[in-house]
Amino acid sequence: SAVISQKPSRDICQRGTSLTIQCQVDSQVTMMFWYRQQPGQSLTLIATANQGSEATYESGFVIDKFPISRPNLTFSTLTVSNMSPEDSSIYLCSVVKTGGTEAFFGQGTRLTVV
Amino acid sequence: AQTVTQSQPEMSVQEAETVTLSCTYDTSESDYYLFWYKQPPSRQMILVIRQEAYKQQNATENRFSVNFQKAAKSFSLKISDSQLGDAAMYFCAYRRGGGADGLTFGKGTHLIIQP
Repeated sequence: SAVISQKPSRDICQRGTSLTIQCQVDSQVTMMFWYRQQPGQSLTLIATANQGSEATYESGFVIDKFPISRPNLTFSTLTVSNMSPEDSSIYLCSVVKTGGTEAFFGQGTRLTVV
Repeated sequence: AQTVTQSQPEMSVQEAETVTLSCTYDTSESDYYLFWYKQPPSRQMILVIRQEAYKQQNATENRFSVNFQKAAKSFSLKISDSQLGDAAMYFCAYRRGGGADGLTFGKGTHLIIQP
């Protein structure tokens, strides 16, 4: 298994500001992902965080809005930029261990934008 | 692109009874994985069961089993002897094999356990 620490667990932010979410894994992993879960909805993949290179974004998500860093194999950050109330969601970090198939998830960050 | 469909927004079952949650998917890939995840109110995503597409045998984990029909692209979850702790959102998910893709999730089924 993998133990994932995600911070903060929740935050209330003013519109127009930015929030950076941190994801720390207890072991080196090749694949790290960021998901968004809007209120009452399912999870949607935002991007794959690539170590040493730019993140790979899914359709509908752009780097200017959701910049991602992945400085090493155990850590990543997701920034939600220039927030609006529509960005109010749970953001989840996920990893797949090298050679594995199962995805492990952090506990998520509940973001409320007012 | 792959899609995952869960047609039951909510299901209710009596404690100790059996319930089946439905999931269908669409993909042109031959190598892939299917999963059922549980999300209780704590919002922690918990893997319930997984199935490799190349395996014909249905996966089983204690009270949880799947009915994997590859030709029909169907992947249902059966929960036997339902317990109060099974109450949660259940998400069916797909992942392409051999690559570095993330998961594609269905919309979820809210499972209610009646005591």
